[in-house]
Amino acid sequence: DAGVIQSPRHEVTEMGQEVTLRCKPISGHNSLFWYRQTMMRGLELLIYFNNNVPIDDSGMPEDRFSAKMPNASFSTLKIQPSEPRDSAVYFCASSTGQANTGELFFGEGSRLTVL
Amino acid sequence: GEDVEQSLFLSVREGDSSVINCTYTDSSSTYLYWYKQEPGAGLQLLTYIFSNMDMKQDQRLTVLLNKKDKHLSLRIADTQTGDSAIYFCAESITNTDKLIFGTGTRLQVFP
Repeated sequence: DAGVIQSPRHEVTEMGQEVTLRCKPISGHNSLFWYRQTMMRGLELLIYFNNNVPIDDSGMPEDRFSAKMPNASFSTLKIQPSEPRDSAVYFCASSTGQANTGELFFGEGSRLTVL
Repeated sequence: GEDVEQSLFLSVREGDSSVINCTYTDSSSTYLYWYKQEPGAGLQLLTYIFSNMDMKQDQRLTVLLNKKDKHLSLRIADTQTGDSAIYFCAESITNTDKLIFGTGTRLQVFP
């Protein structure tokens, strides 16, 4: 299996621009997670989906952030408009959930820099 | 609320043992995890422990769980330079698929 695939790996954009991050989970996994990693706040859970349905979005910072999962093999995290404080590494992860050990499999991350 | 705490840095000499500590909040967590993150990469599962266990050993790794104090530790024996990385503790949240991660402990191994 190719693992969790994220794109782009790196994105540099200017404040006010729209940013879209993409994720392809591992086939057969029914839970998908978006995390954000910064030096100051560590690894924060933004939102997670189960069977393509958003279950908990309490970690989404504000209305500028939105996430979708139109099907079992694709998810997006969108920031509009972006701000410098959104600069971070965004990770997507997938799992088979509580059915097994709950282990999360992470992608390599998308490093976002907002100037 | 849900919170996992770790110290931020640990520095050890090659060949010594490393002990990374963590405290968590959900006393009903089914599993507790240790993940490793190498530079520029995502997190990878290192080991996990089921909540009804006190200890788990896997080669150079020993996990100790104190449920009363909600304390988890990871001991790495004979630490090598290749062990230099960020180590994250995580707890599963009861009745959800969520994992909550600590801030990570950056382990630096020097010769």
